[in-house]
Amino acid sequence: EPEVTQTPSHQVTQMGQEVILRCVPISNHLYFYWYRQILGQKVEFLVSFYNNEISEKSEIFDDQFSVERPDGSNFTLKIRSTKLEDSAMYFCASSEARTSGGANTDTQYFGPGTRLTVL
Amino acid sequence: GQNIDQPTEMTATEGAIVQINCTYQTSGFNGLFWYQQHAGEAPTFLSYNVLDGLEEKGRFSSFLSRSKGYSYLLLKELQMKDSASYLCAVRDVNEADSWGKLQFGAGTQVVVTP
Repeated sequence: EPEVTQTPSHQVTQMGQEVILRCVPISNHLYFYWYRQILGQKVEFLVSFYNNEISEKSEIFDDQFSVERPDGSNFTLKIRSTKLEDSAMYFCASSEARTSGGANTDTQYFGPGTRLTVL
Repeated sequence: GQNIDQPTEMTATEGAIVQINCTYQTSGFNGLFWYQQHAGEAPTFLSYNVLDGLEEKGRFSSFLSRSKGYSYLLLKELQMKDSASYLCAVRDVNEADSWGKLQFGAGTQVVVTP
């Protein structure tokens, strides 16, 4: 069964450093997402991406964040200058943009996550 | 914005049934999802409701009432491996061209005891 994959599984960085988190979505999927989950808190939406551009972003996704699809398989999240509060599990998800009778019946599938620790 | 409320924790014995309730208040709604999340792992898709009624998938069933802003996830014949957090998520579509993003509740930790 196809899966979303993410690398690395754990990233430790110093405050102020740039990090790039990598994801390989399921191959026939068209929508890609990043979510984060701070330890002990709920999963929060960051950004969605479709047709090589950002479709929607949350208030969390400020100028320090960017996303890119550098080739036909990878989807990346870059944090330019990490802060302590960026420490969280970052999940990539993808969906096939499925509709039925014109209605959105899409389902998002999540990768295993990257645990980011900012020191 | 969204308010998505679910109980923090529930305990049940192996072989029993547990019902996890979720209430939501939304400005836009395009479906309600249930995910299972084991500690330190990714959310795994369980079920999806967009119309009122019951959807059954093996030991798991999910129900939706859009007029009441209410859903539940029913877990039958509980097994030890069902001990996990169960996340209620609403697809939030609040703009005409929005495909929608998931807004998650805080999760219900289900503890299955022998």
